[in-house]
This record gives sequence, C-alpha cells and structure tokens, in this order.
Amino acid sequence: SQQGEEDPQALSIQEGENATMNCSYKTSINNLQWYRQNSGRGLVHLILIRSNEREKHSGRLRVTLDTSKKSSSLLITASRAADTASYFCATWNNAGNMLTFGGGTRLMVKP
Amino acid sequence: DAGVTQSPTHLIKTRGQQVTLRCSPKSGHDTVSWYQQALGQGPQFIFQYYEEEERQRGNFPDRFSGHQFPNYSSELNVNALLLGDSALYLCASSTGRALRAQYFGPGTRLTVL
Repeated sequence: SQQGEEDPQALSIQEGENATMNCSYKTSINNLQWYRQNSGRGLVHLILIRSNEREKHSGRLRVTLDTSKKSSSLLITASRAADTASYFCATWNNAGNMLTFGGGTRLMVKP
Repeated sequence: DAGVTQSPTHLIKTRGQQVTLRCSPKSGHDTVSWYQQALGQGPQFIFQYYEEEERQRGNFPDRFSGHQFPNYSSELNVNALLLGDSALYLCASSTGRALRAQYFGPGTRLTVL
C-alpha cells in the first residue's frame, strides 16, 4: 500500500498560474520529500522538509507540512510549460531504509 | 561527475524468461534502492542494498532478487517473468544511513510479452 496519496490526480493550468498539489500520509515521519518525473523518465528530487519544519522554499517551490493532519502541499508559483510533469511525495519508514511514494499528481501547464 | 546510470534502457522479454538489470550509483554513494513503476502509478519499493547486503525489502515475491558489488553497483534479477512485470524499473542511490534524498537513474523499460 502507498504511504502518501496525492490530490488532485491530474491538474491542468495556464502558464503563469500557480499550481498546488496535496499529499496525505498515514504514519509518523522524519521527513517528507517531493520528486518530479518527466514523462517516462527518472525522478528528480525537488525538496525535503523535516518533521519539525512547517514551511520551506526553493526557488518557485513552496512546501508546507502539517504533521497534525499528516499532510503536505507543494505550490509551484508562476508555472511554466517546462513544469509539465508528474509530482510525487515520498516518506521514509521508521528504520529509514524504505521510501514509499504516493500515486502522483500529473500536472499539465499549457503555454 | 556521473549521476546514476542504468542499463539497458529498454528490454523486451517473453513470459517465463529471466532478466538482469544493472545500476551504477552516483559517485560517492554507497546505498542502492530499486523501484518498480507501472504505467500511471507511483514507484513501488522493491529492496535496498547497503554494504553488499539487502537491508530492506518491499512487498515483492522471491522471483525478484538483487546483488550489490564491492564497487557499490547493483543488479536486479527477475525470474519466471510474468506479463505483470512489465514496468519501468528505477534505481536510486544515496549515502550511508537513509532519510536522505534519493538520486534516480533514467530507468529500464521492461516489456514482457
């Protein structure tokens, strides 16, 4: 079973708009990560937020974490056509040796 | 500095055959994890290797086995292939104890006919 579940499953926006994706997870975590995957290729690590952090920024990315609700959100501001990809959240198990991914949000940014 | 490399890029096999996929981790990384990703789904953890030993295994049958070599490279072997084994197989590397970001290779696309 998957630890994280993303919402929505698919999102279509215009270039310049903001895109928000949400992730829910089931068990306690040490950190939560977001990855991007361009069509059928390897995943690229975007950002890692620790359990004692509430918000983190990296360029046009903003990630929030609410451990009381077991949820996280990824905001991409001023989206570009090149942001078109699938986005996944992922969490480690307690032993820190198994990373579990959610089902992903497929983002399409129209030029 | 080479990133994670995988070979082959694509592979076509028939049911019942065996396959070996290869992965070289990013320079300086000693931990390798393997994932299976079916079309339209998130990656599913198969197993992780550290210090040439399987450290953790996901919910995959014994037909899936692996190996890590002294140079930290790794192989994933799948025996008695089933149609359902068709997927993108991803290798990821990281350093030491986990809880860190994973660096992924481009994947091997396996098609079982």
